[in-house]
Amino acid sequence: DGGITQSPKYLFRKEGQNVTLSCEQNLNHDAMYWYRQDPGQGLRLIYYSQIVNDFQKGDIAEGYSVSREKKESFPLTVTSAQKNPTAFYLCASSKGREADTQYFGPGTRLTVL
Amino acid sequence: GEDVEQSLFLSVREGDSSVINCTYTDSSSTYLYWYKQEPGAGLQLLTYIFSNMDMKQDQRLTVLLNKKDKHLSLRIADTQTGDSAIYFCAVPKDNFNKFYFGSGTKLNVKP
Repeated sequence: DGGITQSPKYLFRKEGQNVTLSCEQNLNHDAMYWYRQDPGQGLRLIYYSQIVNDFQKGDIAEGYSVSREKKESFPLTVTSAQKNPTAFYLCASSKGREADTQYFGPGTRLTVL
Repeated sequence: GEDVEQSLFLSVREGDSSVINCTYTDSSSTYLYWYKQEPGAGLQLLTYIFSNMDMKQDQRLTVLLNKKDKHLSLRIADTQTGDSAIYFCAVPKDNFNKFYFGSGTKLNVKP
């Protein structure tokens, strides 16, 4: 089945540790996105990538890093510089062309203890 | 960024109609989207409307767009308990490179 997978579904880390969230898609989509969701705040864009080996900062990129070495994969690293990392993280992809919507993965809930 | 506003909560009885509202600031948006999020899950596309349309109907869903007031609404007819979820409106920007989402409206359907 085509789709987007995120792993793990739940992740616990100690404060000060970096952690990497996985996002894989087999939809042959060019564009991929990372969002952070906090209660009552909707989704905020962290990073996006329109093409392999290229990515752009979103609205809240500080404390996060990404890579796009393969079309199918767009991992997000939450670094120790992120002041409040506990949140629900959503990955999405799209064909990257006009009028095309985004397709979302199931999300990863990160809790920093 | 784009400002997309939604009320946070809506409670209705099963069988009633639900109307979820959204306002946005950028009048150049060509498409506007509605997504549904069930607890602990990602977002699913429900429907969308092209900006030159006033209304779009898709089974129990009706989308109304008032471009002059930059107001978008989603009406769910005969609301069921399975419709309980968070509903987001989304506005694309920068040639669809970015999507801006509202805060989401949590719909609670009482039996």
